[in-house]
Amino acid sequence: NAGVTQTPKFQVLKTGQSMTLQCAQDMNHEYMSWYRQDPGMGLRLIHYSVGAGITDQGEVPNGYNVSRSTTEDFPLRLLSAAPSQTSVYFCASKAQGGFQPQHFGDGTRLSIL
Amino acid sequence: AQTVTQSQPEMSVQEAETVTLSCTYDTSESDYYLFWYKQPPSRQMILVIRQEAYKQQNATENRFSVNFQKAAKSFSLKISDSQLGDAAMYFCALFQGGSEKLVFGKGMKLTVNP
Repeated sequence: NAGVTQTPKFQVLKTGQSMTLQCAQDMNHEYMSWYRQDPGMGLRLIHYSVGAGITDQGEVPNGYNVSRSTTEDFPLRLLSAAPSQTSVYFCASKAQGGFQPQHFGDGTRLSIL
Repeated sequence: AQTVTQSQPEMSVQEAETVTLSCTYDTSESDYYLFWYKQPPSRQMILVIRQEAYKQQNATENRFSVNFQKAAKSFSLKISDSQLGDAAMYFCALFQGGSEKLVFGKGMKLTVNP
């Protein structure tokens, strides 16, 4: 049981490049989400999904796309990377029910030059 | 919109002492849940404790307990018998059942002195 797996762990991109951050979970969780963590800002919600085929925007969605074709996978796409997107990205999943805690991946540190 | 405020960016405590981390929140929903997460230098996000808003009884998990004041919209975390391994960033978070969004505070860095 691997939990939430994020790949890659580190990545350096040039401005304007595109990239997909992968996230997979093996707990059959319906709810998945992406956050970015910046110094002094906590974790901010980018996009989330309550089930396959359903996605919605969070607090900071601009510049990012998501899709949810299966329960297990929830990739995050940067269409044209910008230096402002330099951050640590976390993927999380949770079972249905508000009291259920989020299970986080180990994070991806992304640098945009 | 929901907000979570952690007003103290940093705190320190002596080993074996007790420390309280403050958190206030704002939400228009009646169906919500509150969480404290810990992030050690390894960057992992670890659940510390959680509270259902409709329950008046304060949650406890071993050395960790909360003081949930619903009317004041306050959700503080008390760590008893602090240990060196408690040193980490601590994040307060609010999950709203209606919007299904989890919102975090900006975090607080806890240092534990031997």
